Amino acid sequence: AQSVAQPEDQVNVAEGNPLTVKCTYSVSGNPYLFWYVQYPNRGLQFLLKYITGDNLVKGSYGFEAEFNKSQTSFHLKKPSALVSDSALYFCAVRDRGSTLGRLYFGRGTQLTVWP
Amino acid sequence: DTAVSQTPKYLVTQMGNDKSIKCEQNLGHDTMYWYKQDSKKFLKIMFSYNNKELIINETVPNRFSPKSPDKAHLNLHINSLELGDSAVYFCASSQDEGLGVSNQPQHFGDGTRLSIL
Repeated sequence: AQSVAQPEDQVNVAEGNPLTVKCTYSVSGNPYLFWYVQYPNRGLQFLLKYITGDNLVKGSYGFEAEFNKSQTSFHLKKPSALVSDSALYFCAVRDRGSTLGRLYFGRGTQLTVWP
Repeated sequence: DTAVSQTPKYLVTQMGNDKSIKCEQNLGHDTMYWYKQDSKKFLKIMFSYNNKELIINETVPNRFSPKSPDKAHLNLHINSLELGDSAVYFCASSQDEGLGVSNQPQHFGDGTRLSIL
């Protein structure tokens, strides 16, 4: 069975500090991994993805994520948080051999960056 | 030049009514999706179409019927609306390269907020 866990419902950080939003996954095969961000009253926006190769992937708005196969994790990171990063973040996974387009989403983590 | 557009943005209606939500994408993608986001922000896939063909049909009441007239459009019709149908419904699209080979991100519309009175 495929699943994604985001263990923290909320993450609070001060502006300028580094941030981490955690994600662990379970798939039967090798995963494609994604992070999306959702601002209030908007749809999800793609941030970055891991397909293959370098375990550290860089995405939009200065975000990056580290794929760790042994820990089945794909944590989202940013070296210096901005107040404008405050939003809801979703991790998602797709099994490479799965039915076309089937994404499994985590329950989301609300990030709040304090000025 | 909105990529994925949904109408209406807000839909307030009474229990028992029938309503439709429309979605259009101008990205040239061949796969489209409907998701339901509940009040706790949990996202659940409902349907997926690839080139007008239904490929994902999750456990959704048969009061919900998707229809794809062409690969740029995916509409959702809901019969006999119930209180539990209140949610935000998102349409999304992606370019997929064939069965089992799909690493492209999905592009989402801004949602239709459905409230049942």
